[in-house]
Amino acid sequence: GAVVSQHPSRVICKSGTSVKIECRSLDFQATTMFWYRQFPKQSLMLMATSNEGSKATYEQGVEKDKFLINHASLTLSTLTVTSAHPEDSSFYICSAWGAAPYGYTFGSGTRLTVV
Amino acid sequence: DAKTTQPPSMDCAEGRAANLPCNHSTISGNEYVYWYRQIHSQGPQYIIHGLKNNETNEMASLIITEDRKSSTLILPHATLRDTAVYYCIVRVANSNSGYALNFGKGTSLLVTP
Repeated sequence: GAVVSQHPSRVICKSGTSVKIECRSLDFQATTMFWYRQFPKQSLMLMATSNEGSKATYEQGVEKDKFLINHASLTLSTLTVTSAHPEDSSFYICSAWGAAPYGYTFGSGTRLTVV
Repeated sequence: DAKTTQPPSMDCAEGRAANLPCNHSTISGNEYVYWYRQIHSQGPQYIIHGLKNNETNEMASLIITEDRKSSTLILPHATLRDTAVYYCIVRVANSNSGYALNFGKGTSLLVTP
């Protein structure tokens, strides 16, 4: 079946530094990728939608200058959390659209802890 | 997207069938019902989806009422590994590009020994 590889699975960084999270579709081309954030005991919240070769569309309340998304190819999207702060600590999950038969495939998530 | 309503939590004994209900009374004719689950600290896993006919795969069965206003996900023989949060999502299926799946609060299923 379709596989989306997301890494790192876990990262700890110091406040003020930047962290990059990668999301790769391994056996299909993902025309659209989505980035979600999940706080403890809450549901997934959509952060942004990105289409290959174009700028990402961010959900209301998500700072585009803080959460940089690059979707340079049909198999790779990256999320960079810039100048991370402790409140950015969360579980980040990517999803790729494009694999039959149901379209949506999710990565395994990245646990970000900012200290 | 049509809104869905699910019970916040359910228990099920191991080996028994788990029946998870979902209400989607405002569903439109071109919207599918998707079910995903999320095991703790993992990404969501696809289970099944359907439009109006009942569906079955190796993981589960999906029963959609005739008026399509509600559905039930059935795990026929629940195991401890089925403990997870189950999300019922209604979405238009678009073959040209993807629109994000919007997750509600889901049902937290606890399978007990």
